[in-house]
Amino acid sequence: DTEVTQTPKHLVMGMTNKKSLKCEQHMGHRAMYWYKQKAKKPPELMFVYSYEKLSINESVPSRFSPECPNSSLLNLHLHALQPEDSALYLCASSQDPGRTSYEQYFGPGTRLTVT
Amino acid sequence: AQSVTQLDSQVPVFEEAPVELRCNYSSSVSVYLFWYVQYPNQGLQLLLKYLSGSTLVESINGFEAEFNKSQTSFHLRKPSVHISDTAEYFCAVSKRGGSQGNLIFGKGTKLSVKP
Repeated sequence: DTEVTQTPKHLVMGMTNKKSLKCEQHMGHRAMYWYKQKAKKPPELMFVYSYEKLSINESVPSRFSPECPNSSLLNLHLHALQPEDSALYLCASSQDPGRTSYEQYFGPGTRLTVT
Repeated sequence: AQSVTQLDSQVPVFEEAPVELRCNYSSSVSVYLFWYVQYPNQGLQLLLKYLSGSTLVESINGFEAEFNKSQTSFHLRKPSVHISDTAEYFCAVSKRGGSQGNLIFGKGTKLSVKP
């Protein structure tokens, strides 16, 4: 199984809502990532989890709150988002956090629209 | 710091024609090189990667890329494209021995294959 799954596929939320994005992988990977991708742009790294601990936060606003409940799951909790946060949110995983030679496996993404 | 330049934002070609998508990188240290493909409304998939050894690497669907250290390039080629190759292609680098979040993407090249 070389798949990263993400739910939901689409999400529309108001600026006062609280919602969560979910990501799951069963490849035994110990690094998991959240990226934000705007239209016609490359993915921008938001967070990295290494062995279930947050290791990188790329100065992301606190309205985005990541959580890694176990080695297979990664959540992104959303609260009080702004319309400019509308984007495709991609989850990825890689085998060994300490080795940059390992490729990242990406999920299909959650298309988020903030109204 | 590393950086990646994809010289063409869009490449339109006719079906069965050859194509080259250009990628140049800048780094003061040794890097690993990757090409990812993103089909419409999907996440990124690894197409091929260069870690070491032979400078020519191939993918299972007919793409190949050649690492050229002197020109700091990793151009992607295919001798005959199909309609199904229409997608966004991202070149990416990571620093050897770097941290797990250190995957730097180019801005992407949109390949449009016309019948």
